[in-house]
Amino acid sequence: DTGVSQDPRHKITKRGQNVTFRCDPISEHNRLYWYRQTLGQGPEFLTYFQNEAQLEKSRLLSDRFSAERPKGSFSTLEIQRTEQGDSAMYLCASTSGTLDYGYTFGSGTRLTVV
Amino acid sequence: DQQVKQNSPSLSVQEGRISILNCDYTNSMFDYFLWYKKYPAEGPTFLISISSIKDKNEDGRFTVFLNKSAKHLSLHIVPSQPGDSAVYFCAARDTDKLIFGTGTRLQVFP
Repeated sequence: DTGVSQDPRHKITKRGQNVTFRCDPISEHNRLYWYRQTLGQGPEFLTYFQNEAQLEKSRLLSDRFSAERPKGSFSTLEIQRTEQGDSAMYLCASTSGTLDYGYTFGSGTRLTVV
Repeated sequence: DQQVKQNSPSLSVQEGRISILNCDYTNSMFDYFLWYKKYPAEGPTFLISISSIKDKNEDGRFTVFLNKSAKHLSLHIVPSQPGDSAVYFCAARDTDKLIFGTGTRLQVFP
């Protein structure tokens, strides 16, 4: 297992288009998180899953955002009708629950809305 | 409101000396604290963590100190190396999610 994988690494889209990102966590990790990071800020929590259940969503996650983890394995994050303010790095992380080893983050998807 | 604060946006240290990165928090219910390192165009990499029931945890060159009464933690890197140059994030666990600070950019020069 090579860690948390995110696809694509970069996405440029026109305002108003829909985009979807994928995250493949470490296989034995049952918890999966989505974060967003903008310039000069730390990662901000968006949502998380335990297995296939979405347990918490941040108020940052507007109605245009939806996340799924259909079989408790990979996850997708979709943004509908993108806006320029959605431009950010979208990070996925997974964990088995113990914090002795932290959450393992992927390399992120850089979204640019033009 | 920023629950986890890193008030120093940058720090410059000479190679071989100690780097001390600081972090303050406001929520006394945080039960775990973590430090991450981040290089440009990569995701954060976990460095070290500490439970709120401890006051020190050490792993090689990295030591984290927790002062609960002051709601303050710090990361010590000794000796500092040029490869340590990166942005360092402090994070705290709030129920099942991590809350991050805004980061401190560390530069280690020869």
